[in-house]
Amino acid sequence: QVQLQESGPGLVKPSETLSLTCTVSDGSISSYYWSWIRQPPGKGLEWIGYIYYSGSTHYNPSLKSRLTISLDTSENQVSLRLNSVTAADTAVYYCVRYSSSWYAFRYWGQGSLVTVSS
Amino acid sequence: QSALTQPASVSGSPGQSITISCTGTSSDVGSYDRVSWYQQHPGKAPKLMIYEVTKWPSGVSDRFSGSKSGNMASLTISGLQAEDEADYYCCSYAGSSTWVFGGGTKLTVL
Repeated sequence: QVQLQESGPGLVKPSETLSLTCTVSDGSISSYYWSWIRQPPGKGLEWIGYIYYSGSTHYNPSLKSRLTISLDTSENQVSLRLNSVTAADTAVYYCVRYSSSWYAFRYWGQGSLVTVSS
Repeated sequence: QSALTQPASVSGSPGQSITISCTGTSSDVGSYDRVSWYQQHPGKAPKLMIYEVTKWPSGVSDRFSGSKSGNMASLTISGLQAEDEADYYCCSYAGSSTWVFGGGTKLTVL
Protein backbone atom coordinates (compact mmCIF):
# COMPACT_ATOMS: atom_id res chain seq x y z
CA GLN A 1 0.00 0.00 0.00
CA VAL A 2 1.29 3.42 -0.91
CA GLN A 3 2.65 5.62 1.88
CA LEU A 4 2.62 9.40 1.73
CA GLN A 5 4.84 11.53 3.93
CA GLU A 6 4.46 15.29 4.20
CA SER A 7 7.39 17.45 5.24
CA GLY A 8 8.16 21.13 5.60
CA PRO A 9 8.40 24.00 8.07
CA GLY A 10 5.93 23.90 10.92
CA LEU A 11 5.97 27.67 11.35
CA VAL A 12 5.58 30.33 8.68
CA LYS A 13 5.39 34.10 9.13
CA PRO A 14 2.41 36.07 7.86
CA SER A 15 2.76 37.29 4.27
CA GLU A 16 5.42 34.68 3.52
CA THR A 17 5.16 31.45 1.47
CA LEU A 18 4.09 28.10 2.86
CA SER A 19 5.95 25.23 1.21
CA LEU A 20 5.32 21.53 1.76
CA THR A 21 6.59 18.38 0.09
CA CYS A 22 4.96 14.98 -0.06
CA THR A 23 7.15 11.95 -0.72
CA VAL A 24 5.41 8.98 -2.32
CA SER A 25 6.78 5.61 -1.25
CA ASP A 26 5.90 3.28 -4.11
CA GLY A 27 6.90 5.22 -7.21
CA SER A 28 3.29 5.56 -8.34
CA ILE A 29 3.60 9.30 -8.76
CA SER A 30 3.57 8.94 -12.52
CA SER A 31 0.19 7.25 -12.61
CA TYR A 32 -2.29 9.12 -10.47
CA TYR A 33 -3.83 12.38 -9.35
CA TRP A 34 -2.22 13.93 -6.25
CA SER A 35 -4.17 16.23 -4.03
CA TRP A 36 -3.69 18.50 -1.04
CA ILE A 37 -6.42 18.83 1.57
CA ARG A 38 -6.19 20.92 4.73
CA GLN A 39 -7.89 21.05 8.10
CA PRO A 40 -7.69 24.07 10.42
CA PRO A 41 -7.43 23.10 14.09
CA GLY A 42 -10.81 21.91 15.35
CA LYS A 43 -12.47 22.50 11.98
CA GLY A 44 -13.48 20.62 8.86
CA LEU A 45 -11.67 19.53 5.72
CA GLU A 46 -11.02 21.82 2.76
CA TRP A 47 -9.95 20.63 -0.68
CA ILE A 48 -6.99 22.70 -1.86
CA GLY A 49 -6.30 21.30 -5.31
CA TYR A 50 -4.74 18.45 -7.28
CA ILE A 51 -2.28 17.67 -10.01
CA TYR A 52 -2.28 14.88 -12.55
CA TYR A 53 0.95 13.10 -13.42
CA SER A 54 0.81 14.85 -16.79
CA GLY A 55 1.24 18.13 -14.93
CA SER A 56 -2.28 19.49 -15.34
CA THR A 57 -3.59 21.17 -12.21
CA HIS A 58 -6.96 22.07 -10.72
CA TYR A 59 -7.28 24.42 -7.76
CA ASN A 60 -9.88 25.52 -5.25
CA PRO A 61 -11.12 28.83 -6.68
CA SER A 62 -10.78 30.47 -3.27
CA LEU A 63 -7.04 29.71 -3.18
CA LYS A 64 -6.13 29.72 -6.85
CA SER A 65 -4.44 33.12 -6.93
CA ARG A 66 -1.95 32.11 -4.22
CA LEU A 67 -1.46 28.44 -4.99
CA THR A 68 0.99 26.26 -6.91
CA ILE A 69 1.03 22.46 -6.88
CA SER A 70 3.83 20.71 -8.74
CA LEU A 71 5.41 17.28 -9.28
CA ASP A 72 8.99 16.07 -9.23
CA THR A 73 8.76 12.61 -10.76
CA SER A 74 12.48 11.96 -10.39
CA GLU A 75 12.16 12.39 -6.62
CA ASN A 76 8.63 10.90 -6.32
CA GLN A 77 7.47 14.12 -4.72
CA VAL A 78 4.44 16.39 -4.86
CA SER A 79 4.86 19.98 -3.70
CA LEU A 80 2.54 22.68 -2.43
CA ARG A 81 3.30 26.39 -2.35
CA LEU A 82 0.84 28.89 -0.91
CA ASN A 83 1.81 32.55 -1.08
CA SER A 84 0.93 35.50 1.14
CA VAL A 85 -0.26 33.39 4.04
CA THR A 86 -2.31 34.64 6.98
CA ALA A 87 -3.39 33.07 10.25
CA ALA A 88 -6.38 31.63 8.39
CA ASP A 89 -3.98 29.32 6.57
CA THR A 90 -2.97 27.62 9.83
CA ALA A 91 -3.96 23.98 9.38
CA VAL A 92 -2.93 20.38 9.12
CA TYR A 93 -2.07 19.82 5.47
CA TYR A 94 -2.68 16.36 4.05
CA CYS A 95 -1.18 14.86 0.92
CA VAL A 96 -3.71 12.51 -0.68
CA ARG A 97 -3.78 10.18 -3.66
CA TYR A 98 -7.03 10.64 -5.54
CA SER A 99 -8.68 7.69 -7.27
CA SER A 100 -10.15 8.77 -10.59
CA SER A 101 -11.94 5.44 -10.96
CA TRP A 102 -13.60 5.80 -7.58
CA TYR A 103 -13.98 9.59 -7.59
CA ALA A 104 -12.63 9.63 -4.05
CA PHE A 105 -9.59 10.50 -1.97
CA ARG A 106 -8.24 7.07 -1.23
CA TYR A 107 -4.83 7.22 0.40
CA TRP A 108 -3.90 9.90 2.93
CA GLY A 109 -0.63 10.98 4.46
CA GLN A 110 -0.43 11.52 8.20
CA GLY A 111 -0.63 15.28 7.79
CA SER A 112 1.68 18.16 8.59
CA LEU A 113 0.70 21.00 10.91
CA VAL A 114 1.65 24.42 9.63
CA THR A 115 1.16 27.42 11.91
CA VAL A 116 1.18 30.94 10.52
CA SER A 117 2.42 33.31 13.18
CA SER A 118 5.00 36.00 13.65
CA GLN B 1 -18.42 26.94 -3.70
CA SER B 2 -19.97 26.51 -0.24
CA ALA B 3 -19.33 23.65 2.15
CA LEU B 4 -21.88 20.87 2.26
CA THR B 5 -24.16 20.95 5.31
CA GLN B 6 -23.90 18.23 7.94
CA PRO B 7 -25.31 18.08 11.47
CA ALA B 8 -22.68 19.05 14.01
CA SER B 9 -23.28 15.95 16.10
CA VAL B 10 -25.23 12.72 16.27
CA SER B 11 -25.29 10.02 18.90
CA GLY B 12 -26.51 6.50 19.40
CA SER B 13 -26.18 3.53 21.69
CA PRO B 14 -24.24 0.39 20.87
CA GLY B 15 -26.18 -1.83 18.50
CA GLN B 16 -28.39 0.96 17.24
CA SER B 17 -28.34 2.58 13.80
CA ILE B 18 -27.67 6.22 13.05
CA THR B 19 -27.83 8.30 9.89
CA ILE B 20 -25.74 11.34 9.04
CA SER B 21 -27.10 13.69 6.39
CA CYS B 22 -25.10 15.75 3.93
CA THR B 23 -26.98 18.48 2.11
CA GLY B 24 -25.61 20.14 -0.98
CA THR B 25 -27.04 21.79 -4.04
CA SER B 26 -28.00 20.95 -7.60
CA SER B 27 -24.44 21.97 -8.56
CA ASP B 28 -22.73 19.30 -6.50
CA VAL B 29 -24.53 16.45 -4.67
CA GLY B 30 -27.62 16.75 -6.84
CA SER B 31 -25.71 16.56 -10.12
CA TYR B 32 -23.15 13.81 -9.58
CA ASP B 33 -23.00 10.35 -8.04
CA ARG B 34 -19.53 11.24 -6.79
CA VAL B 35 -20.18 11.47 -3.08
CA SER B 36 -17.72 9.94 -0.65
CA TRP B 37 -17.57 9.65 3.13
CA TYR B 38 -14.55 9.78 5.44
CA GLN B 39 -14.08 8.70 9.04
CA GLN B 40 -11.57 10.56 11.19
CA HIS B 41 -10.48 9.55 14.66
CA PRO B 42 -8.84 12.20 16.87
CA GLY B 43 -5.32 13.01 15.78
CA LYS B 44 -5.53 10.71 12.77
CA ALA B 45 -5.86 11.19 9.04
CA PRO B 46 -9.28 10.68 7.47
CA LYS B 47 -10.12 7.24 6.11
CA LEU B 48 -12.28 6.56 3.06
CA MET B 49 -15.42 4.66 4.06
CA ILE B 50 -17.83 5.05 1.13
CA TYR B 51 -17.29 6.15 -2.47
CA GLU B 52 -19.60 6.79 -5.42
CA VAL B 53 -22.50 7.23 -2.98
CA THR B 54 -22.95 3.54 -2.09
CA LYS B 55 -19.70 1.58 -2.57
CA TRP B 56 -17.25 0.25 0.03
CA PRO B 57 -13.48 -0.01 -0.28
CA SER B 58 -12.22 -3.43 0.68
CA GLY B 59 -11.72 -3.71 4.41
CA VAL B 60 -14.56 -1.38 5.36
CA SER B 61 -17.38 -2.98 7.30
CA ASP B 62 -20.71 -3.44 5.54
CA ARG B 63 -22.30 -1.86 8.61
CA PHE B 64 -21.58 1.38 6.78
CA SER B 65 -23.89 2.25 3.91
CA GLY B 66 -24.53 5.27 1.76
CA SER B 67 -27.45 6.67 -0.20
CA LYS B 68 -28.53 9.80 -2.02
CA SER B 69 -31.80 11.50 -2.84
CA GLY B 70 -31.83 14.77 -4.72
CA ASN B 71 -29.37 17.19 -3.17
CA MET B 72 -28.91 15.15 0.02
CA ALA B 73 -26.61 12.23 0.66
CA SER B 74 -26.68 10.08 3.77
CA LEU B 75 -24.37 7.76 5.65
CA THR B 76 -25.98 5.07 7.80
CA ILE B 77 -24.06 3.07 10.37
CA SER B 78 -25.87 0.01 11.67
CA GLY B 79 -25.00 -2.03 14.74
CA LEU B 80 -23.09 0.86 16.30
CA GLN B 81 -19.84 -0.06 18.00
CA ALA B 82 -17.64 1.95 20.33
CA GLU B 83 -14.93 2.11 17.65
CA ASP B 84 -17.31 3.97 15.33
CA GLU B 85 -17.05 7.05 17.55
CA ALA B 86 -15.30 9.58 15.31
CA ASP B 87 -15.85 12.56 13.06
CA TYR B 88 -17.43 11.90 9.66
CA TYR B 89 -17.11 14.04 6.56
CA CYS B 90 -18.97 13.90 3.28
CA CYS B 91 -17.41 15.09 0.04
CA SER B 92 -18.88 15.75 -3.38
CA TYR B 93 -17.64 16.60 -6.83
CA ALA B 94 -18.71 20.17 -7.57
CA GLY B 95 -17.98 20.40 -11.29
CA SER B 96 -15.05 21.95 -13.16
CA SER B 97 -12.63 19.53 -11.47
CA THR B 98 -13.33 20.89 -8.01
CA TRP B 99 -14.45 19.21 -4.80
CA VAL B 100 -16.29 20.33 -1.71
CA PHE B 101 -16.43 18.81 1.78
CA GLY B 102 -19.07 18.94 4.46
CA GLY B 103 -18.41 20.62 7.78
CA GLY B 104 -18.19 17.32 9.60
CA THR B 105 -20.33 15.42 12.10
CA LYS B 106 -19.15 14.19 15.47
CA LEU B 107 -20.57 10.76 16.25
CA THR B 108 -20.82 9.84 19.91
CA VAL B 109 -21.50 6.26 20.93
CA LEU B 110 -23.31 6.47 24.25
